[in-house]
Amino acid sequence: QKEVEQDPGPLSVPEGAIVSLNCTYSNSAFQYFMWYRQYSRKGPELLMYTYSSGNKEDGRFTAQVDKSSKYISLFIRDSQPSDSATYLCAMSDSGTALIFGKGTTLSVSS
Amino acid sequence: EAGVVQSPRYKIIEKKQPVAFWCNPISGHNTLYWYRQNLGQGPELLIRYENEEAVDDSQLPKDRFSAERLKGVDSTLKIQPAELGDSAVYLCASSLEGTAGANVLTFGAGSRLTVL
Repeated sequence: QKEVEQDPGPLSVPEGAIVSLNCTYSNSAFQYFMWYRQYSRKGPELLMYTYSSGNKEDGRFTAQVDKSSKYISLFIRDSQPSDSATYLCAMSDSGTALIFGKGTTLSVSS
Repeated sequence: EAGVVQSPRYKIIEKKQPVAFWCNPISGHNTLYWYRQNLGQGPELLIRYENEEAVDDSQLPKDRFSAERLKGVDSTLKIQPAELGDSAVYLCASSLEGTAGANVLTFGAGSRLTVL
């Protein structure tokens, strides 16, 4: 079992839909949780950063962390065609570099 | 401000040939990472530098891969000899020095390697 599991999709939704992306993990020492967005032939770019448990909202994006269930989520409201990309969850404890999930490919059609 | 710069963007080589990738991190970022991203997978860490020192190279295949970060700024990742399975995107990232896990990484666009 990999430390970080993420359903690769692909996920296809119509414009305006609410999108839910999820990751599970096995290492209870993880404290830092991030979501990166990666467009085709580009490097990943940071979308959301959360420390420990709780929710964080930034515009149309909401990140949730449930450490008791070892489960993190990213919600995208009012999805737009420009949101079409691969979304990577990533996490770490205080001493290690980020460990990434496989990524979920999202396509938003207009 | 320029981001993380990588070159070359694309490289096609025959198996058993050598190849090198170069990375220039964001100015002031002391920590530099090399990740490898296979098709349909997330990035996987190869090596992490704090200034000139490689502090985590446990996932670097040392029989054929080598890396250096002279003067604690630019870095080079080399593969010699390349194998078919090395075809991937090699991503460089940098971050400010601090608690490793808390660092926010800024990635370059990557170097896409195809080994024939």
